[in-house]
Amino acid sequence: QKEVEQDPGPLSVPEGAIVSLNCTYSNSAFQYFMWYRQYSRKGPELLMYTYSSGNKEDGRFTAQVDKSSKYISLFIRDSQPSDSATYLCAMRLTNFGNEKLTFGTGTRLTIIP
Amino acid sequence: DSGVTQTPKHLITATGQRVTLRCSPRSGDLSVYWYQQSLDQGLQFLIQYYNGEERAKGNILERFSAQQFPDLHSELNLSSLELGDSALYFCASSVGVGNTGELFFGEGSRLTVL
Repeated sequence: QKEVEQDPGPLSVPEGAIVSLNCTYSNSAFQYFMWYRQYSRKGPELLMYTYSSGNKEDGRFTAQVDKSSKYISLFIRDSQPSDSATYLCAMRLTNFGNEKLTFGTGTRLTIIP
Repeated sequence: DSGVTQTPKHLITATGQRVTLRCSPRSGDLSVYWYQQSLDQGLQFLIQYYNGEERAKGNILERFSAQQFPDLHSELNLSSLELGDSALYFCASSVGVGNTGELFFGEGSRLTVL
């Protein structure tokens, strides 16, 4: 079983729809949770970063963490064609100065105009 | 533009060969990370260097090696290449160790092994 599971998609939704992207994880030691966005032929870029359980909002994006269920989500409101990309969840733990950052496989999202 | 520069962008070579990928981190970043991205495995961590010293190792094959130089640029050496080594190789940098998890990625080097 992978430490981080993410549905690879692809996911296609019409412009203006609400998008929900999810990841589950098995290692309860993960402390930090991130979402990266990767456009085609580009490197990933950090989109959202959260530490605790709950919601964090940034414009049209909301990151949600449920540590009890080991489940994280990214919601995109009023989706735009420019949101078409691959979204990777990432989780980090720090243990006695050693870091471990683990990525999901990514979900490919297409917003249809 | 993330500020991380990777060369070459594309590389085509044959099985058994050796290649070197180069990365220049963002100005001021001391940590360099190498990742391999393939369709079926996603983004796999290979190795991290911090200020010239190896800091963490992931799923890096023995045929692969890396180093970080005094000017903080890094090179990833891939030898005895196999078809399965075809992938995108990303370099990322961050300010230091124990950061918030924000890595700045380059645009990657696409390696094709024929």
